[in-house]
Amino acid sequence: GAGVSQSPSNKVTEKGKDVELRCDPISGHTALYWYRQSLGQGLEFLIYFQGNSAPDKSGLPSDRFSAERTGGSVSTLTIQRTQQEDSAVYLCASSPGGGRVETQYFGPGTRLLVL
Amino acid sequence: TQLLEQSPQFLSIQEGENLTVYCNSSSVFSSLQWYRQEPGEGPVLLVTVVTGGEVKKLKRLTFQFGDARKDSSLHITAAQPGDTGLYLCAGRTTDSWGKLQFGAGTQVVVTP
Repeated sequence: GAGVSQSPSNKVTEKGKDVELRCDPISGHTALYWYRQSLGQGLEFLIYFQGNSAPDKSGLPSDRFSAERTGGSVSTLTIQRTQQEDSAVYLCASSPGGGRVETQYFGPGTRLLVL
Repeated sequence: TQLLEQSPQFLSIQEGENLTVYCNSSSVFSSLQWYRQEPGEGPVLLVTVVTGGEVKKLKRLTFQFGDARKDSSLHITAAQPGDTGLYLCAGRTTDSWGKLQFGAGTQVVVTP
């Protein structure tokens, strides 16, 4: 069956440029999460969408980062004026309803390199 | 500062040996999960524990949730090369269970 997909799989950009990362969650999943993972490190929470509720943006590191989720499905993470410290793997996950014991299903990630 | 501290950061063992990975916090968690991540892929859930003192077994893997729901451990018996990966613990605190907080991970390498 179709899992969580992310695009692009790799992105190389120049410092100062804007980038958009896309996430297609599993069909029917109402909860969607974005994380950032630096090389060999754990996952840093960025933002969480649950149904029609206001997203939890508490993990976004600066106002250069924003995310949207259109129609309760596809999500886009936008990083404006990229900096070298933004280089990381950006992971998206979805779950059926956002409950406290639910499994989060992860995509393969987008590897972002800012030169 | 990470809410969940994992130790050790790196573990290299021979096939057939046992290993234990620890996940500790000063916060109480309503649930705690362990994931394994392989290079180039997203993490995959291994287990969820929700009750203090709970022990779950998954073949050669044993997971324990502390009585106070502040810590957890993962024990692998007779490790195999296929157990190689980054092991991540992740928990939801009692006041913010929409958000999953991850530890920094333990890189386990099992050599034949």
